[in-house]
Amino acid sequence: AQKVTQAQTEISVVEKEDVTLDCVYETRDTTYYLFWYKQPPSGELVFLIRRNSFDEQNEISGRYSWNFQKSTSSFNFTITASQVVDSAVYFCALSEPGTGANNLFFGTGTRLTVIP
Amino acid sequence: EAGVAQSPRYKIIEKRQSVAFWCNPISGHATLYWYQQILGQGPKLLIQFQNNGVVDDSQLPKDRFSAERLKGVDSTLKIQPAKLEDSAVYLCASSPRRLRGSNEQFFGPGTRLTVL
Repeated sequence: AQKVTQAQTEISVVEKEDVTLDCVYETRDTTYYLFWYKQPPSGELVFLIRRNSFDEQNEISGRYSWNFQKSTSSFNFTITASQVVDSAVYFCALSEPGTGANNLFFGTGTRLTVIP
Repeated sequence: EAGVAQSPRYKIIEKRQSVAFWCNPISGHATLYWYQQILGQGPKLLIQFQNNGVVDDSQLPKDRFSAERLKGVDSTLKIQPAKLEDSAVYLCASSPRRLRGSNEQFFGPGTRLTVL
């Protein structure tokens, strides 16, 4: 079963628009961790945020914000006032400590294109 | 602080040939990961090392893939013989310590393999 679902394959927005990337996860563990990574055209995955399952507070970092809702198993990512440099593929990922390892299960990614 | 280094960046081979990829993690990082990222998909874990021991290789096709991390620092991933479906980007990542499920992983630029 897919552990992480990113239903949006591609999104295009005009610069300065806000955009939300959806992430829905599936796990039976009560303790788990969620991540967002950015993969620009250069190919290197860049860590954006980590959130544990016990902390449902939303987080804001500059133009980025994250909305974690356990009730709907979602961990959505919003970019405010998008910029061309935000163009990339964004991955949501899940880690389940109960597996005994620190593996990341990635979604299929959402390709964001910001049009100037 | 230097990031995760990988080489080569690109490799083109014919099916049934052998290929090897090298990874040097961030200094001091005990955990090293190899991921396979097929075009249009999220990365999938192949193998995880803790120092020079294997933590998880359940997703590694052991009939053709092998990996080692002899001195607990750099690592080599080998494919022998390669198949067309092995065409992908091979990503190496490292994390500083093994707190279960809590560590962000730092990724290298990847090696893009094309099998003809």
